[in-house]
Amino acid sequence: GQNIDQPTEMTATEGAIVQINCTYQTSGFNGLFWYQQHAGEAPTFLSYNVLDGLEEKGRFSSFLSRSKGYSYLLLKELQMKDSASYLCAGALYNFNKFYFGSGTKLNVKP
Amino acid sequence: NAGVTQTPKFQVLKTGQSMTLQCAQDMNHEYMSWYRQDPGMGLRLIHYSVGAGITDQGEVPNGYNVSRSTTEDFPLRLLSAAPSQTSVYFCASSLDAPGGNEQFFGPGTRLTVL
Repeated sequence: GQNIDQPTEMTATEGAIVQINCTYQTSGFNGLFWYQQHAGEAPTFLSYNVLDGLEEKGRFSSFLSRSKGYSYLLLKELQMKDSASYLCAGALYNFNKFYFGSGTKLNVKP
Repeated sequence: NAGVTQTPKFQVLKTGQSMTLQCAQDMNHEYMSWYRQDPGMGLRLIHYSVGAGITDQGEVPNGYNVSRSTTEDFPLRLLSAAPSQTSVYFCASSLDAPGGNEQFFGPGTRLTVL
């Protein structure tokens, strides 16, 4: 919703690095979030970028460029348990109305 | 802490029936919201509340009502169920507005309308 775009599906190999991109309309968004959702489960918070640059948290890093309307989630040393959907999201204009992209389903293969 | 709880986990309704999906949180969060998730469409905001007694519409509010009489509870009412409301419904809460705060999600309610 609200022009948040991300690829539908990606496949990567265990132990590798994968980058999941997200683009969004540049005006109105106040920071970008990434959530992880395993099949049949609820989303869980991964990261939040409010300023430009890279935020690192263990094997996961997230990057934001507000002027370009671009974010990515970087997953290193992939594990089988990383097979999940990754949702890019943010609040548009109003901090109370939150919008999610359609999600990127990541398949990690041995 | 139980976090965010939702009941029921599964529900089947017939067209025209009404029902209430329950949501409760024990984290003293001010902000609560309801989303629906359909294949290929991601999560869409139905209604939200910034505190007891205050609710507002999200992206897809038609066919749903909410109320927030206490900080803890935020039920979602389907007034007259339609097959288009077949979906997975998630309740979420955050300390304050989700634009700057992590949201915590309940386990979801899987609703089928026949």
